[in-house]
Amino acid sequence: DAKTTQPNSMESNEEEPVHLPCNHSTISGTDYIHWYRQLPSQGPEYVIHGLTSNVNNRMASLAIAEDRKSSTLILHRATLRDAAVYYCILSPRGVGNEKLTFGTGTRLTIIP
Amino acid sequence: DTEVTQTPKHLVMGMTNKKSLKCEQHMGHRAMYWYKQKAKKPPELMFVYSYEKLSINESVPSRFSPECPNSSLLNLHLHALQPEDSALYLCASSQDRGGAYGYTFGSGTRLTVV
Repeated sequence: DAKTTQPNSMESNEEEPVHLPCNHSTISGTDYIHWYRQLPSQGPEYVIHGLTSNVNNRMASLAIAEDRKSSTLILHRATLRDAAVYYCILSPRGVGNEKLTFGTGTRLTIIP
Repeated sequence: DTEVTQTPKHLVMGMTNKKSLKCEQHMGHRAMYWYKQKAKKPPELMFVYSYEKLSINESVPSRFSPECPNSSLLNLHLHALQPEDSALYLCASSQDRGGAYGYTFGSGTRLTVV
């Protein structure tokens, strides 16, 4: 499986934008980029995913580099409820090896 | 209904017990997954079911036995577990197999083996 690299931890101030980076230099052309987050004592929560183009939804935006070797999850205005571990995961499009393999993620701390 | 429901939320079992974890979704998703998460570690995939058939077993010991009775329900049968099997067991579902679809996770069953 292609691997992702994320910083172990990040801090951000409340009500400011947060940019969470992810490197995936060995990504293949059929790998989707997924982001999930996990709050304490809860299951992971889907945030966003994309293939080539930037994606927006009500929770966040996903900016994908032109060469697809990196991506950035953007939280537009952080709140205390956004404090969580954020996982960037590659998931292949093809059937047969489809699985979500979690890395160690980025622990995001929001400072009030 | 946009949720994956897992029961029970907490379970304590002895090493000679037999118990089952249950996972249910009514989103029409055709792929379902079991993950195991130890404290302060990321989730690890155990099993993948697609269209009610087991498609991936990540070399999980036979004391864990998955079952998919229908497209909405996924069970994990537990027998002769060890204390090191204590963990958070997570169920997830997706519309279909493959990376084009996001996963919906349940809140998990916290299992303690004594």
